[in-house]
Amino acid sequence: DGGITQSPKYLFRKEGQNVTLSCEQNLNHDAMYWYRQDPGQGLRLIYYSQIVNDFQKGDIAEGYSVSREKKESFPLTVTSAQKNPTAFYLCASTPPGGGGRQPQHFGDGTRLSIL
Amino acid sequence: QKEVEQDPGPLSVPEGAIVSLNCTYSNSAFQYFMWYRQYSRKGPELLMYTYSSGNKEDGRFTAQVDKSSKYISLFIRDSQPSDSATYLCAMSRIPNSGGSNYKLTFGKGTLLTVNP
Repeated sequence: DGGITQSPKYLFRKEGQNVTLSCEQNLNHDAMYWYRQDPGQGLRLIYYSQIVNDFQKGDIAEGYSVSREKKESFPLTVTSAQKNPTAFYLCASTPPGGGGRQPQHFGDGTRLSIL
Repeated sequence: QKEVEQDPGPLSVPEGAIVSLNCTYSNSAFQYFMWYRQYSRKGPELLMYTYSSGNKEDGRFTAQVDKSSKYISLFIRDSQPSDSATYLCAMSRIPNSGGSNYKLTFGKGTLLTVNP
């Protein structure tokens, strides 16, 4: 089945540690996105990528990094500079020819917690 | 004023009730409007997607957009316990130039419980 796969489902980070969240899609979607969701808050955009080897900062990019070496993959690294990383992280993608005319589809998220 | 306002609830209704969920927004540039359903510990699932003003119906779900009032609604008829979830509204502008990306602005979500 086509879809967006996020792994792991749960992740724990120690102080000073970088961790990487995986996002893979087999939908042939061009654009991919990373959001952070905190209790009682809406989704906030961290980074997005329209095409391979290109990505842009979203509203809350500080303390995060991404890469887009393959169309199918858009991993997110939560660095030690992110002082409050505990949250639910969601990856999304958009079909080709989007331009706002196609909605985003989401994976099932990774819950990151501090040890 | 936040760009998108959504009453967080919680909203509790009996099975079979008609549910009305709403969002207001301040940016008149928003053209695309979406409703997502999110179950606990899951990602948001697209329910309805509309462009500009008007109504759209899909089974028990009806989405309404009133751009003059900057107000969108989702109605759920004959609500079921399986409808219990958080409902997120989202909206976006038409990008300035071509390209497949666009930024979604989300409401905070309304937690709905349908009691058997």
